[in-house]
Amino acid sequence: AQKVTQAQTEISVVEKEDVTLDCVYETRDTTYYLFWYKQPPSGELVFLIRRNSFDEQNEISGRYSWNFQKSTSSFNFTITASQVVDSAVYFCALSEIGDYKLSFGAGTTVTVRA
Amino acid sequence: NAGVMQNPRHLVRRRGQEARLRCSPMKGHSHVYWYRQLPEEGLKFMVYLQKENIIDESGMPKERFSAEFPKEGPSILRIQQVVRGDSAAYFCASSLSTDPGTSPLHFGNGTRLTVT
Repeated sequence: AQKVTQAQTEISVVEKEDVTLDCVYETRDTTYYLFWYKQPPSGELVFLIRRNSFDEQNEISGRYSWNFQKSTSSFNFTITASQVVDSAVYFCALSEIGDYKLSFGAGTTVTVRA
Repeated sequence: NAGVMQNPRHLVRRRGQEARLRCSPMKGHSHVYWYRQLPEEGLKFMVYLQKENIIDESGMPKERFSAEFPKEGPSILRIQQVVRGDSAAYFCASSLSTDPGTSPLHFGNGTRLTVT
């Protein structure tokens, strides 16, 4: 069985601070995909990144960066120089390769104050 | 190319009524998935359908819930005799294939069901 844990329920920061969201996962498979989604207050789900278990290279996209550590089963997400528009719920998800089902964490609510 | 379209965006039903949620997948996508998001929780898989077939309904409650994806028209998630515990956001997603690595899920904006 696969499981995704986002231990941080809520994080509140002031604009321009960095914020790191933790994601720890469990899976019996050696091959799998990891995802991050953003859910802004309007409610839709916005895909941010997909990473497969073969690729442990960290990734940066603008102010977003992801740190994949297979040894600790973690896939953490950092927003650098946060902005008010980053306020949202962020979900980490896991899918075993060959399985169409995504297992989502409970989400972390990020509030960025001006 | 329009994304996954869900309607209605918000739905209010009294206890005991029926709720019908619609989902039109992205053009060319034949795989449809329904997920439910209870308050303060992540999304949970409910059902996976291809045209005219239910492939996996392992996440669907055994009673009152049903889903279909007819040859023509949108996929429908139907909840009969709704109860307060059914209040949630219901998301539909579609994909070209079943491998999320090569064919990621595209989610709709969700339908927020409130049972009064």
